[in-house]
Order: sequence, then structure tokens, then C-alpha cells
Amino acid sequence: GESVGLHLPTLSVQEGDNSIINCAYSNSASDYFIWYKQESGKGPQFIIDIRSNMDKRQGQRVTVLLNKTVKHLSLQIAATQPGDSAVYFCAENRGYSTLTFGKGTMLLVSP
Amino acid sequence: EPEVTQTPSHQVTQMGQEVILRCVPISNHLYFYWYRQILGQKVEFLVSFYNNEISEKSEIFDDQFSVERPDGSNFTLKIRSTKLEDSAMYFCASNPRGRAGDEQFFGPGTRLTVL
Repeated sequence: GESVGLHLPTLSVQEGDNSIINCAYSNSASDYFIWYKQESGKGPQFIIDIRSNMDKRQGQRVTVLLNKTVKHLSLQIAATQPGDSAVYFCAENRGYSTLTFGKGTMLLVSP
Repeated sequence: EPEVTQTPSHQVTQMGQEVILRCVPISNHLYFYWYRQILGQKVEFLVSFYNNEISEKSEIFDDQFSVERPDGSNFTLKIRSTKLEDSAMYFCASNPRGRAGDEQFFGPGTRLTVL
């Protein structure tokens, strides 16, 4: 969903569940898409990225899927843990290194 | 592991005052950035800096803002006359080569409160 003002979309899951966080991006010319994790009071932390010529990339417990047809990016977190609780942002960059961030989704993991 | 550091962690100032936010990027990185995040909102790009000059800036980065690399380690953001709407978290970031796909490393941020 879309966020308005202070209200972030929130995904609540149980520990051990798989989580899927979605993002719509705007610019079809973007070269790279990146997922960042932001814990309370901290700066964004890189999780995983994907080039525009790929549709899937896997990391440790995380998978990013890119659907360029509908300009959609998703982050899948396997076996979600309480330490995964944070706000997750997608970001895009377009041939140079400046990042354009999406609006963020809060992930809440219950033990 | 090398990291970006920022000082102070929290800055409170009166409207109209000048503030300088300080950052020490990772030592062998060449590109530096400032972003801001108003409470509860997304992170917004302000400015990028390479080879001692601004390489790109957003429409947020108006004449009230300036950046400087006064020595070989520090990277500063100055706001000349702060406004209430400048209250936000300000993040510094650095990037090894400034290429798309290079990981951008963020500092912990400075919370600026303008009263």
C-alpha cells in the first residue's frame, strides 16, 4: 500500500514465517535496485541489490525479485527473526550513484 | 570494518541560526552524499560531492545549504539560516567510486531539531 505522511505500511509476521515486502518504482531507466534496512535511530543498511537486466537475486535468507513489466520490486526474507524488525526501503539508481528511495515498509516480527 | 561517522548525534538550534553537520566518510571512498529524512518519511537525496565539488543536487538543496570538504577526512553540511521544516535526520553516505551498483554506506545520522 501507499504511505501518507507519518503512516508507513506495516507487515506483521510471526518468527519463522517468510516475509514479502513490496515496492513500486517509477523510473524505467533505473539501472540498479537496492533494498535497505533501517533500524530505529540508525542509518539505512544495505541488504541486497539487483541489476535491471536480472529478475532474481538471492542472498543469505533474502531474495529480491524484479518485475520490470509492472515496475515492481520485492524482498523476500526467509525464516524471519525478531532481529529483522525494521523499516525496509527500496531504492533505485540510474547510471550514477545517487539513490532515490521509496516510501518504506515497517516489518514487525513477533517471537 | 570501516564505517561512516557523524557528529553530533543530535543538534538542537533556534530558527534562523546556522548549523554545521559533520561527517567522516570511509577513508578510501571518493563520492560523498547528504540525505535527509523527515520523521516517518522516506529518505531524500540532498547533494552528492566528488573531487571537491558538487556533482549533483536536488531541489531541496537551495542557497541555504552548502557542503565542504575542509580537509582530507571531514565532509560537512551547513545550513545558513535554519527553518522549522529543516528538522529531520541528516544522513551522510559515501561510495567507493560513485558507480551505479556500488554499495553506498550510510552514517548513523544527525537528528536536527529546529525550535
